Amino acid sequence: AQSVAQPEDQVNVAEGNPLTVKCTYSVSGNPYLFWYVQYPNRGLQFLLKYITGDNLVKGSYGFEAEFNKSQTSFHLKKPSALVSDSALYFCAVRVPPGNTGKLIFGQGTTLQVKP
Amino acid sequence: NAGVTQTPKFQVLKTGQSMTLQCAQDMNHNSMYWYRQDPGMGLRLIYYSASEGTTDKGEVPNGYNVSRLNKREFSLRLESAAPSQTSVYFCASTGQGAGVSNQPQHFGDGTRLSIL
Repeated sequence: AQSVAQPEDQVNVAEGNPLTVKCTYSVSGNPYLFWYVQYPNRGLQFLLKYITGDNLVKGSYGFEAEFNKSQTSFHLKKPSALVSDSALYFCAVRVPPGNTGKLIFGQGTTLQVKP
Repeated sequence: NAGVTQTPKFQVLKTGQSMTLQCAQDMNHNSMYWYRQDPGMGLRLIYYSASEGTTDKGEVPNGYNVSRLNKREFSLRLESAAPSQTSVYFCASTGQGAGVSNQPQHFGDGTRLSIL
């Protein structure tokens, strides 16, 4: 069965420091992976995706993610955190097969960036 | 540029009451989805519609029904609300043209539903 795990409920980082939000997945076939961000009282916003190609994917707001097939991971990273990056982050994997577009989400990781 | 619009934004119901959550998208997307978000559980798929005229169950369909009214609109109905259905409900859409597999979903801002 397909699944996504975000092992940390919360990540704390100081402004200006690099940040990593972890995600591991289990899926049959080639994974299509996504990261979303959610600000309070808002819907999820798409950050970036990995479909194929380079293992390092760049996305919105300076975020990037590294796909590692051997470790079945897709960690979200940013070189220098901003206080405004504080939000809830979700990793998701596309559910094969077919063309339904369904996603399975991790449970979410709260990122807290302190000034 | 509205994207995905959900109504209402907030609602309080009593146990046993019914209501319909509305969702509309203006991006000409083929596929639409209803999720519920509960603390510590991420988003769980309730129902989805891969294309106009089709609907299918997701992970947690019990107690809900859906209607894909047309390509733009996808509604979620609670026939007899229960306290366990207190949650934040999100509608999403994706997919223009033939393929949706590698396209991101676009989300509305949610309906916060409390059932007493």
